[in-house]
Amino acid sequence: DTGVSQDPRHKITKRGQNVTFRCDPISEHNRLYWYRQTLGQGPEFLTYFQNEAQLEKSRLLSDRFSAERPKGSFSTLEIQRTEQGDSAMYLCASSLGGVGGELFFGEGSRLTVL
Amino acid sequence: AQSVSQHNHHVILSEAASLELGCNYSYGGTVNLFWYVQYPGQHLQLLLKYFSGDPLVKGIKGFEAEFIKSKFSFNLRKPSVQWSDTAEYFCAVRMNSGYSTLTFGKGTMLLVSP
Repeated sequence: DTGVSQDPRHKITKRGQNVTFRCDPISEHNRLYWYRQTLGQGPEFLTYFQNEAQLEKSRLLSDRFSAERPKGSFSTLEIQRTEQGDSAMYLCASSLGGVGGELFFGEGSRLTVL
Repeated sequence: AQSVSQHNHHVILSEAASLELGCNYSYGGTVNLFWYVQYPGQHLQLLLKYFSGDPLVKGIKGFEAEFIKSKFSFNLRKPSVQWSDTAEYFCAVRMNSGYSTLTFGKGTMLLVSP
């Protein structure tokens, strides 16, 4: 499968712990996006990279959240000191550059904070 | 800030019924418009998109959508639904600028009964 892959698919953690999610985009895609989706809501934008540069961050991305894409390939999203409100599906998507590039989504990483 | 409204959160239809899902957005400038579908247990997939030109766009699996600029709408239609169309449908909008990301609606869950 050469689509967007995310790991782990499910993560259960206790409040206060740190968690990290990984996203491997489609290999030729230079743009990478993180979204969060909660029950009954559509995906909400968190942050976006073009190559290794983080170009845009949502106000949803508190200082407990950090995302990196060190070599312009895979990306990690870390959540420090998790809270129950962080429980959600974290979606990664990638696209080619240029206006109008279609976003290809991974299957998501589901986080449950107890 | 741009926003996207999807009129119905849940829709239940019988097979062969016609479908129309409403989507309105709030942004006065040029936009790119998308419908994504999420089948049970699967990732988000692009159904169709509008960038410019003919406001009636056709997508996969017999779906189509019409962009009505004066109404800020991009409604999704299918003349005859099938049981396999059971899924969640998301409308998304992107402002037509270089770094803009997608803003999603809350989604419409479609259940087609055989």
